[in-house]
Amino acid sequence: KQEVTQIPAALSVPEGENLVLNCSFTDSAIYNLQWFRQDPGKGLTSLLLIQSSQREQTSGRLNASLDKSSGRSTLYIAASQPGDSATYLCAVSTLDSNYQLIWGAGTKLIIKP
Amino acid sequence: EAQVTQNPRYLITVTGKKLTVTCSQNMNHEYMSWYRQDPGLGLRQIYYSMNVEVTDKGDVPEGYKVSRKEKRNFPLILESPSPNQTSLYFCASSTRQGTGELFFGEGSRLTVL
Repeated sequence: KQEVTQIPAALSVPEGENLVLNCSFTDSAIYNLQWFRQDPGKGLTSLLLIQSSQREQTSGRLNASLDKSSGRSTLYIAASQPGDSATYLCAVSTLDSNYQLIWGAGTKLIIKP
Repeated sequence: EAQVTQNPRYLITVTGKKLTVTCSQNMNHEYMSWYRQDPGLGLRQIYYSMNVEVTDKGDVPEGYKVSRKEKRNFPLILESPSPNQTSLYFCASSTRQGTGELFFGEGSRLTVL
């Protein structure tokens, strides 16, 4: 059964630093992987979607990579800003789950001014 | 503006009093889904729908009902709410049977006394 893990659960860094958030999954037979952002008490916003055939996707200061063979994805945030503070979740879609997303628990990111 | 709209956003009710949380999307998406989010348990899928008149159970369907009579609407029904259904509920929609980018509503915070 697919499991998705995000470590660390929380991360605090000074403003301006580049940082990497990690997502690992146990079964490499994924259809795609999505990264989401959630602000406190709010809904989730999709940041990047990577198809299984892709290695990375970029949007502005965000870059997500995918390595299916090692069961890992990383979300790279360049030049972090206080407005990047949020919880970041990754989720994978697999054929075995009828394409329903399997979610990680998230990494809570705090960017200190 | 593309959006998923949930109502009510906040609700306090009592055990056993039937309630419905509405969800509507304006993106002509085939796929819609309901999640609940609880501290320490993350996001868990309740029900999903691949298209009109097609619904399936997610991971935690007990105590909930759904219907999909129109493409844009996917209401969540709690026939006899209990305190363990106190939670933050999210509706989401997507293209391509759920494998496209997932759009979330703002959430509905439900308290059952």
